Amino acid sequence: DAKTTQPTSMDCAEGRAANLPCNHSTISGNEYVYWYRQIHSQGPQYIIHGLKNNETNEMASLIITEDRKSSTLILPHATLRDTAVYYCIVTSSGSARQLTFGSGTQLTVLP
Amino acid sequence: SQTIHQWPATLVQPVGSPLSLECTVEGTSNPNLYWYRQAAGRGLQLLFYSVGIGQISSEVPQNLSASRPQDRQFILSSKKLLLSDSGFYLCAWSVRGRLWGYTFGSGTRLTVV
Repeated sequence: DAKTTQPTSMDCAEGRAANLPCNHSTISGNEYVYWYRQIHSQGPQYIIHGLKNNETNEMASLIITEDRKSSTLILPHATLRDTAVYYCIVTSSGSARQLTFGSGTQLTVLP
Repeated sequence: SQTIHQWPATLVQPVGSPLSLECTVEGTSNPNLYWYRQAAGRGLQLLFYSVGIGQISSEVPQNLSASRPQDRQFILSSKKLLLSDSGFYLCAWSVRGRLWGYTFGSGTRLTVV
């Protein structure tokens, strides 16, 4: 699995967009970028994933750079309930059977 | 719809006592099943995963074992708990071949005293 680097923590004002970066400079061609989040004392929750195209769903948008060496998760209108640890994971779904979670980014949405 | 049940929610056990945590999944067949642990202030550590009945892969050597006696049942056990076994234990399932859409249970907070 490619190594990922995320900031340890970030703050965002309620109602503003939260942009969470992730560096994955060693990503290989068949590896996907997955984002999960973990609200305190709960299990992680899947958010979104992508290969090379930008993706959007009801929760967030995922922007992957053209060289695929970095990506950004965007929460368009952050709420207090979005306060959580956000994990960026890069792995190949073809070979890996499990997800490995790193340290993630603690996002705190401020009122 | 698929649901995952994990119990108990909290557990306090003395050192040296046995452990059995159970996880069941409903509404799906042949799921991949996982046990993760999260120590206080730490990240998620994968302990075991299973791709089928009786098939268990261990990621980290430890004082714990896992079993999958039925397709949708995953059990985490220990014969003698250590203080270092304290933590937040999470069961998860996924559709085979898909790493997106992991669904986690609500977790068991284990305190070994």
